Amino acid sequence: ETGVTQSPTHLIKTRGQQVTLRCSSQSGHNTVSWYQQALGQGPQFIFQYYREEENGRGNFPPRFSGLQFPNYSSELNVNALELDDSALYLCASSLQPSLYNSPLHFGNGTRLTVT
Amino acid sequence: AQSVTQLGSHVSVSEGALVLLRCNYSSSVPPYLFWYVQYPNQGLQLLLKYTTGATLVKGINGFEAEFKKSETSFHLTKPSAHMSDAAEYFCAVSEGDTGRRALTFGSGTRLQVQP
Repeated sequence: ETGVTQSPTHLIKTRGQQVTLRCSSQSGHNTVSWYQQALGQGPQFIFQYYREEENGRGNFPPRFSGLQFPNYSSELNVNALELDDSALYLCASSLQPSLYNSPLHFGNGTRLTVT
Repeated sequence: AQSVTQLGSHVSVSEGALVLLRCNYSSSVPPYLFWYVQYPNQGLQLLLKYTTGATLVKGINGFEAEFKKSETSFHLTKPSAHMSDAAEYFCAVSEGDTGRRALTFGSGTRLQVQP
């Protein structure tokens, strides 16, 4: 069983640029969630995608956007990067949207540094 | 809105000693509660969860946690610490605000195990 894989592992961008992070879900999982983890903090929910539609969003501005593809892989796009966007971005897949019987399986993350 | 408080950003124990990591939550409805562990440069791994039913929950690696509604707590324990338990531990809650689709994490507790 292949786990959640994210690419790239590390990325350096300049303020104002745009970035795309990629995630491949665990086999059989149709739901993907993205979290932002700033240094020394717990992860914060960005949004969830289910069957290629956004299915819930945290307190993040519209410059954070996402896509989910028919094979359930996913992208996180961030426009107009700010210094505070520097963080570890975690992708998590699950069997279904609700966490009742479908826990999140996390990837190892992409470390984004904005200079 | 839901929130999670983890008391103690750093906890140090001796190998073989009891591990106790504290977590309190606030929630307006019955919560789902989770503990995750994060090793350096890795994503989060689920240790255990409480959704309904028995309030004492057993997880992987010998960890367990007890849901105490009257105290709004979900403390994590392990009878005997091992060197390999050194990591960052996150408590998380999911409840009605997000349709039980997303997690709100605490800020984490770093566990050190001394030989």
